[in-house]
Amino acid sequence: QVHLVQSGAEMKRPGTSVKVSCKTSGYPFNAFYIYWVRQAPGQGLEYMGWINPVSGATDSAAKFHGRLTVTRDTSSGTAYMELKNLGSDDTAVYFCAKGAWFGSKAWFDYWGQGSLVTVSS
Amino acid sequence: QSVLTQPPSASGTPGQTVTISCSGSHANIGTNYVHWYQHVPGTAPRLFIHRFNQRASGVPERFSGSRSGTSATLTISGLRSEDEADYYCSAWDDSQRSWFFGGGTKVAVL
Repeated sequence: QVHLVQSGAEMKRPGTSVKVSCKTSGYPFNAFYIYWVRQAPGQGLEYMGWINPVSGATDSAAKFHGRLTVTRDTSSGTAYMELKNLGSDDTAVYFCAKGAWFGSKAWFDYWGQGSLVTVSS
Repeated sequence: QSVLTQPPSASGTPGQTVTISCSGSHANIGTNYVHWYQHVPGTAPRLFIHRFNQRASGVPERFSGSRSGTSATLTISGLRSEDEADYYCSAWDDSQRSWFFGGGTKVAVL
């Protein structure tokens, strides 16, 4: 059974960074991309970026260029999302999701439970 | 302005049919697949429909999807109370080379 289990809630100060983990199980980690999506309070879902688990290649939505780093540890089947220079508008629930096939244009068939990141001074 | 546009809300009484539209452009819906996700706040989003009209595992047959030109539609037939949730369309956009979600439609069962 496919599972994506994310790290717990974080409270961060403005200007700092946060790193969220997404541990996968139940499928071959190297066979599917991992995507990151967030939802700010009262807002909709917002795509952030992806990682190719084999090569480690990444891409991110334009608004996150330079602030978002997505990495992976293939030995543990875990993906990581680090967002730098946090502002209050980065307060959101962050989700990881598994692609339905190997590629950047796959839909997201399984999701993690979400990690709340609160940015406040 | 959102790349994909959905109505903010939709509602119906039990048993009714509810449709949710998702309007885009040639670069996204006109060229690429549309997928639909159900999201109950506080839980993980769930894939409901992929590739316009393919139901994900466990999704009831009363959910269906379609595309016409640069718009897509999610139809819920025989509305039930457990269908109350937010529904999001999503598509890849060739111009911006990125994924986009619609703003989400909150479905209420009256």
